[in-house]
Amino acid sequence: GQQLNQSPQSMFIQEGEDVSMNCTSSSIFNTWLWYKQDPGEGPVLLIALYKAGELTSNGRLTAQFGITRKDSFLNISASIPSDVGIYFCAGPYYGQNFVFGPGTRLSVLP
Amino acid sequence: DADVTQTPRNRITKTGKRIMLECSQTKGHDRMYWYRQDPGLGLRLIYYSFDVKDINKGEISDGYSVSRQAQAKFSLSLESAIPNQTALYFCATSETGFQPQHFGDGTRLSIL
Repeated sequence: GQQLNQSPQSMFIQEGEDVSMNCTSSSIFNTWLWYKQDPGEGPVLLIALYKAGELTSNGRLTAQFGITRKDSFLNISASIPSDVGIYFCAGPYYGQNFVFGPGTRLSVLP
Repeated sequence: DADVTQTPRNRITKTGKRIMLECSQTKGHDRMYWYRQDPGLGLRLIYYSFDVKDINKGEISDGYSVSRQAQAKFSLSLESAIPNQTALYFCATSETGFQPQHFGDGTRLSIL
Protein backbone atom coordinates (compact mmCIF):
# COMPACT_ATOMS: atom_id res chain seq x y z
CA GLY A 1 0.00 0.00 0.00
CA GLN A 2 0.88 3.62 -0.08
CA GLN A 3 3.59 4.56 2.39
CA LEU A 4 5.05 7.73 3.78
CA ASN A 5 8.56 8.07 5.12
CA GLN A 6 9.53 10.59 7.76
CA SER A 7 13.00 11.79 8.60
CA PRO A 8 14.50 11.82 11.11
CA GLN A 9 12.83 9.10 13.17
CA SER A 10 13.81 10.89 16.35
CA MET A 11 15.79 13.92 17.38
CA PHE A 12 17.16 15.46 20.52
CA ILE A 13 17.70 19.19 20.49
CA GLN A 14 18.54 21.95 22.92
CA GLU A 15 15.86 24.42 23.92
CA GLY A 16 16.03 27.42 21.64
CA GLU A 17 17.30 25.53 18.59
CA ASP A 18 15.46 25.36 15.29
CA VAL A 19 14.09 22.02 14.08
CA SER A 20 13.59 20.65 10.59
CA MET A 21 11.87 17.43 9.57
CA ASN A 22 10.46 16.09 6.34
CA CYS A 23 8.06 13.60 4.86
CA THR A 24 8.28 11.85 1.50
CA SER A 25 5.88 9.80 -0.55
CA SER A 26 6.21 7.53 -3.57
CA SER A 27 3.01 9.08 -4.94
CA ILE A 28 1.99 12.59 -5.83
CA PHE A 29 -0.25 14.22 -3.23
CA ASN A 30 -2.64 17.15 -3.51
CA THR A 31 -2.83 17.62 0.25
CA TRP A 32 -0.34 17.38 3.08
CA LEU A 33 -1.24 17.48 6.75
CA TRP A 34 1.02 17.84 9.76
CA TYR A 35 -0.13 16.63 13.18
CA LYS A 36 1.45 16.69 16.63
CA GLN A 37 0.81 14.09 19.31
CA ASP A 38 1.51 15.05 22.91
CA PRO A 39 2.21 12.22 25.36
CA GLY A 40 -1.03 10.53 26.42
CA GLU A 41 -3.17 12.39 23.90
CA GLY A 42 -4.45 12.04 20.37
CA PRO A 43 -2.87 13.77 17.35
CA VAL A 44 -3.84 17.37 16.80
CA LEU A 45 -3.72 19.08 13.43
CA LEU A 46 -0.98 21.72 13.16
CA ILE A 47 -0.98 22.75 9.51
CA ALA A 48 -2.78 21.75 6.32
CA LEU A 49 -1.26 22.35 2.87
CA TYR A 50 -3.27 22.20 -0.34
CA LYS A 51 -1.05 23.56 -3.12
CA ALA A 52 2.40 22.68 -4.43
CA GLY A 53 4.96 25.24 -3.25
CA GLU A 54 2.65 26.52 -0.53
CA LEU A 55 4.34 27.81 2.60
CA THR A 56 2.12 28.10 5.69
CA SER A 57 2.93 29.20 9.22
CA ASN A 58 1.28 28.58 12.56
CA GLY A 59 3.15 30.53 15.22
CA ARG A 60 6.70 29.16 15.38
CA LEU A 61 5.82 26.36 12.99
CA THR A 62 6.23 26.61 9.23
CA ALA A 63 5.34 23.88 6.76
CA GLN A 64 5.95 23.67 3.03
CA PHE A 65 4.30 21.65 0.28
CA GLY A 66 7.16 20.41 -1.91
CA ILE A 67 7.29 21.43 -5.56
CA THR A 68 7.47 17.80 -6.68
CA ARG A 69 4.25 17.13 -4.69
CA LYS A 70 5.98 14.08 -3.23
CA ASP A 71 7.35 15.72 -0.13
CA SER A 72 6.63 18.19 2.63
CA PHE A 73 8.71 19.90 5.29
CA LEU A 74 8.03 21.13 8.80
CA ASN A 75 10.22 23.61 10.62
CA ILE A 76 9.98 24.72 14.24
CA SER A 77 11.85 27.84 15.27
CA ALA A 78 13.25 28.55 18.72
CA SER A 79 12.09 25.27 20.25
CA ILE A 80 10.59 25.19 23.74
CA PRO A 81 9.93 22.26 26.12
CA SER A 82 6.26 21.97 25.11
CA ASP A 83 7.33 21.15 21.55
CA VAL A 84 8.13 17.64 22.79
CA GLY A 85 6.02 14.99 21.11
CA ILE A 86 5.58 12.98 17.94
CA TYR A 87 5.05 14.81 14.66
CA PHE A 88 3.12 12.99 11.95
CA CYS A 89 2.65 13.85 8.32
CA ALA A 90 -0.39 12.56 6.43
CA GLY A 91 -1.54 12.50 2.84
CA PRO A 92 -4.72 11.42 1.04
CA TYR A 93 -5.17 7.75 0.23
CA TYR A 94 -7.27 7.35 -2.93
CA GLY A 95 -9.16 10.44 -1.83
CA GLN A 96 -11.18 8.55 0.77
CA ASN A 97 -9.06 8.91 3.87
CA PHE A 98 -5.51 9.67 4.90
CA VAL A 99 -2.34 7.62 5.27
CA PHE A 100 0.05 8.60 8.07
CA GLY A 101 3.80 8.54 8.26
CA PRO A 102 5.61 6.70 11.10
CA GLY A 103 6.32 9.96 12.90
CA THR A 104 9.29 11.98 14.09
CA ARG A 105 9.79 11.91 17.85
CA LEU A 106 11.12 15.22 19.17
CA SER A 107 12.82 15.63 22.52
CA VAL A 108 13.84 19.07 23.79
CA LEU A 109 16.60 19.28 26.33
CA PRO A 110 16.61 22.24 28.75
CA ASP B 1 -16.08 18.62 26.80
CA ALA B 2 -14.03 16.79 24.19
CA ASP B 3 -15.40 16.67 20.65
CA VAL B 4 -14.33 13.03 20.22
CA THR B 5 -14.59 10.86 23.33
CA GLN B 6 -13.18 7.37 23.68
CA THR B 7 -13.99 4.91 26.41
CA PRO B 8 -12.33 3.29 28.21
CA ARG B 9 -9.03 5.21 28.26
CA ASN B 10 -7.15 2.16 29.51
CA ARG B 11 -7.98 -1.54 29.48
CA ILE B 12 -6.09 -4.65 30.52
CA THR B 13 -7.58 -7.98 29.60
CA LYS B 14 -6.70 -11.59 28.88
CA THR B 15 -6.19 -13.50 25.67
CA GLY B 16 -9.45 -14.80 24.22
CA LYS B 17 -11.70 -12.19 25.78
CA ARG B 18 -14.12 -10.11 23.75
CA ILE B 19 -13.50 -6.39 24.03
CA MET B 20 -15.40 -3.36 22.85
CA LEU B 21 -13.95 0.13 22.52
CA GLU B 22 -16.40 2.94 22.15
CA CYS B 23 -16.22 6.31 20.43
CA SER B 24 -18.70 9.15 20.45
CA GLN B 25 -18.49 12.56 18.79
CA THR B 26 -20.25 15.87 19.06
CA LYS B 27 -18.78 17.39 15.89
CA GLY B 28 -21.66 16.30 13.67
CA HIS B 29 -19.29 14.64 11.22
CA ASP B 30 -20.48 11.80 9.01
CA ARG B 31 -17.11 10.11 8.69
CA MET B 32 -15.56 8.14 11.53
CA TYR B 33 -12.39 6.08 11.70
CA TRP B 34 -10.55 3.61 13.93
CA TYR B 35 -6.76 3.57 13.96
CA ARG B 36 -4.17 1.54 15.74
CA GLN B 37 -0.82 3.03 16.83
CA ASP B 38 2.27 0.95 17.45
CA PRO B 39 5.71 2.43 18.21
CA GLY B 40 7.57 3.31 15.00
CA LEU B 41 4.64 2.38 12.76
CA GLY B 42 2.52 5.48 12.97
CA LEU B 43 -1.25 5.26 12.68
CA ARG B 44 -2.73 2.38 10.72
CA LEU B 45 -6.37 2.38 9.63
CA ILE B 46 -8.53 -0.48 10.89
CA TYR B 47 -12.03 0.47 9.72
CA TYR B 48 -13.81 3.58 8.53
CA SER B 49 -17.43 4.58 8.06
CA PHE B 50 -18.88 7.24 5.78
CA ASP B 51 -22.31 7.06 7.42
CA VAL B 52 -24.39 4.65 9.50
CA LYS B 53 -24.97 2.38 6.49
CA ASP B 54 -21.46 2.45 5.06
CA ILE B 55 -18.64 0.50 6.73
CA ASN B 56 -15.30 -0.12 5.05
CA LYS B 57 -12.24 -2.18 5.90
CA GLY B 58 -8.95 -0.41 6.31
CA GLU B 59 -5.37 -1.58 6.08
CA ILE B 60 -5.46 -3.95 9.08
CA SER B 61 -9.05 -5.10 9.67
CA ASP B 62 -8.36 -8.79 10.39
CA GLY B 63 -9.34 -9.69 13.96
CA TYR B 64 -11.50 -6.58 14.37
CA SER B 65 -15.13 -5.64 13.74
CA VAL B 66 -17.03 -2.38 14.04
CA SER B 67 -20.55 -1.10 14.54
CA ARG B 68 -21.88 2.34 13.62
CA GLN B 69 -24.85 2.68 15.96
CA ALA B 70 -25.62 6.28 15.06
CA GLN B 71 -23.97 9.20 13.35
CA ALA B 72 -22.29 10.05 16.63
CA LYS B 73 -21.22 6.56 17.73
CA PHE B 74 -18.71 4.13 16.28
CA SER B 75 -17.47 1.13 18.27
CA LEU B 76 -14.58 -1.25 17.66
CA SER B 77 -14.68 -4.88 18.81
CA LEU B 78 -12.02 -7.50 19.24
CA GLU B 79 -13.95 -10.80 19.16
CA SER B 80 -11.16 -12.89 20.67
CA ALA B 81 -8.27 -10.72 21.80
CA ILE B 82 -4.67 -11.82 21.24
CA PRO B 83 -1.46 -10.31 22.66
CA ASN B 84 -0.29 -8.76 19.39
CA GLN B 85 -3.39 -6.56 19.48
CA THR B 86 -1.84 -4.73 22.40
CA ALA B 87 -1.62 -1.14 21.16
CA LEU B 88 -2.96 2.39 21.42
CA TYR B 89 -6.28 2.77 19.59
CA PHE B 90 -7.63 6.05 18.25
CA CYS B 91 -11.00 7.09 16.96
CA ALA B 92 -11.21 10.03 14.55
CA THR B 93 -13.85 11.96 12.64
CA SER B 94 -13.89 14.16 9.56
CA GLU B 95 -16.44 16.20 7.69
CA THR B 96 -15.45 14.74 4.33
CA GLY B 97 -12.69 12.49 3.02
CA PHE B 98 -10.67 15.54 2.00
CA GLN B 99 -10.88 17.31 5.33
CA PRO B 100 -8.38 16.78 8.17
CA GLN B 101 -9.38 14.31 10.85
CA HIS B 102 -10.06 15.09 14.50
CA PHE B 103 -8.83 12.51 16.99
CA GLY B 104 -9.90 11.32 20.40
CA ASP B 105 -7.37 10.87 23.18
CA GLY B 106 -7.02 7.14 22.61
CA THR B 107 -7.55 3.85 24.42
CA ARG B 108 -4.49 2.03 25.66
CA LEU B 109 -5.24 -1.69 25.37
CA SER B 110 -3.06 -4.39 26.91
CA ILE B 111 -3.77 -8.06 26.26
CA LEU B 112 -2.03 -10.53 28.50
